[in-house]
Amino acid sequence: DTAVSQTPKYLVTQMGNDKSIKCEQNLGHDTMYWYKQDSKKFLKIMFSYNNKELIINETVPNRFSPKSPDKAHLNLHINSLELGDSAVYFCASSQVTRHVTQYFGPGTRLTVL
Amino acid sequence: DAKTTQPNSMESNEEEPVHLPCNHSTISGTDYIHWYRQLPSQGPEYVIHGLTSNVNNRMASLAIAEDRKSSTLILHRATLRDAAVYYCIRGSNYKLTFGKGTLLTVNP
Repeated sequence: DTAVSQTPKYLVTQMGNDKSIKCEQNLGHDTMYWYKQDSKKFLKIMFSYNNKELIINETVPNRFSPKSPDKAHLNLHINSLELGDSAVYFCASSQVTRHVTQYFGPGTRLTVL
Repeated sequence: DAKTTQPNSMESNEEEPVHLPCNHSTISGTDYIHWYRQLPSQGPEYVIHGLTSNVNNRMASLAIAEDRKSSTLILHRATLRDAAVYYCIRGSNYKLTFGKGTLLTVNP
């Protein structure tokens, strides 16, 4: 009964490829997020969706495109992968009526060769 | 800009209390103070949050200074499983800005 799940857990790919990371939450939350944690362990928000609408986009290259087919899913598609995209990507969710208690997934480690 | 200041690292012994400090001198009146922690190779985990009053839950206590410019996360009896990076965050709706956090080491 995992609350926030991500697939895959590990992703190794070549520069220039296009890849997707999937995220699902079964908490009934209406807001979902994507974060990036780089090699220096800084955790930065990338996107936030509320009820399938984009509400935060933190200066992320347009090679990154989040897609929310429904409230329970927020997928991250990355085009033309670059070496600097290597990081751990975390999905999270929250209920907008609760003051920003976010529940994080286990992370997807992306390695671009 | 995380807008909070925490020590880079702290050490504790098992079963002893741990007090993790955080400075947030420029906090606004509506910002909550949130604490999350990240265990090795896991996603961040919510610990506690508060606005003005001290807060307790099953994981920890949060003591907030009267002027709200600082706060302290209190783990009453540290266990080896509490070894993690602890993040103090000034939060507004939707957006959490993580800083470097404090790496807590718990010695057996």
